[in-house]
Amino acid sequence: GNSVTQMEGPVTLSEEAFLTINCTYTATGYPSLFWYVQYPGEGLQLLLKATKADDKGSNKGFEATYRKETTSFHLEKGSVQVSDSAVYFCALPTGRRALTFGSGTRLQVQP
Amino acid sequence: DTGVSQDPRHKITKRGQNVTFRCDPISEHNRLYWYRQTLGQGPEFLTYFQNEAQLEKSRLLSDRFSAERPKGSFSTLEIQRTEQGDSAMYLCASSSLGTDTEAFFGQGTRLTVV
Repeated sequence: GNSVTQMEGPVTLSEEAFLTINCTYTATGYPSLFWYVQYPGEGLQLLLKATKADDKGSNKGFEATYRKETTSFHLEKGSVQVSDSAVYFCALPTGRRALTFGSGTRLQVQP
Repeated sequence: DTGVSQDPRHKITKRGQNVTFRCDPISEHNRLYWYRQTLGQGPEFLTYFQNEAQLEKSRLLSDRFSAERPKGSFSTLEIQRTEQGDSAMYLCASSSLGTDTEAFFGQGTRLTVV
């Protein structure tokens, strides 16, 4: 079945540093790919998505490109802020409508 | 609309007791999902409703678990004869019909079985 593998955390960065969180997937066909974020004390929120190969999803300065050649959907941000501290989940659809999530990567940004 | 709401936010119960959680989705959303999240892991799918019909259930949903969405609006998830392994965050999400529509998540119900 469909699955995702994320880099383990925590990732600790200083403010304004460059962020990459790796995500690779295994899937039948070319499903949409998602990044969700969970801020402390809040529910999961969709951060960005890409619906087909070579698409780039972007939101709040974060970007991820759907690369079928490497089966990857890495999350990047050029300059992180303290407010970006959260847990980030890569996800893809499996079954009729459910999502399969990675194990999450905790990001800690220090001032 | 304030988003997906779940009640209670926290529940502590003794092993062997039954518990029930409620989820109120965003009002116009036809689809409703339940997930379970344990510490340090991503959410795992439990079950999915479209309107009042339960269309998909994970193998994680043992016979002790039952979910309903009687009128296609709110949903309940009941766990009978709770076990310590049931301790987790139970998340509800909803979405509208269509392809690749965004799922909106509630803040979850944290269950602790002692």
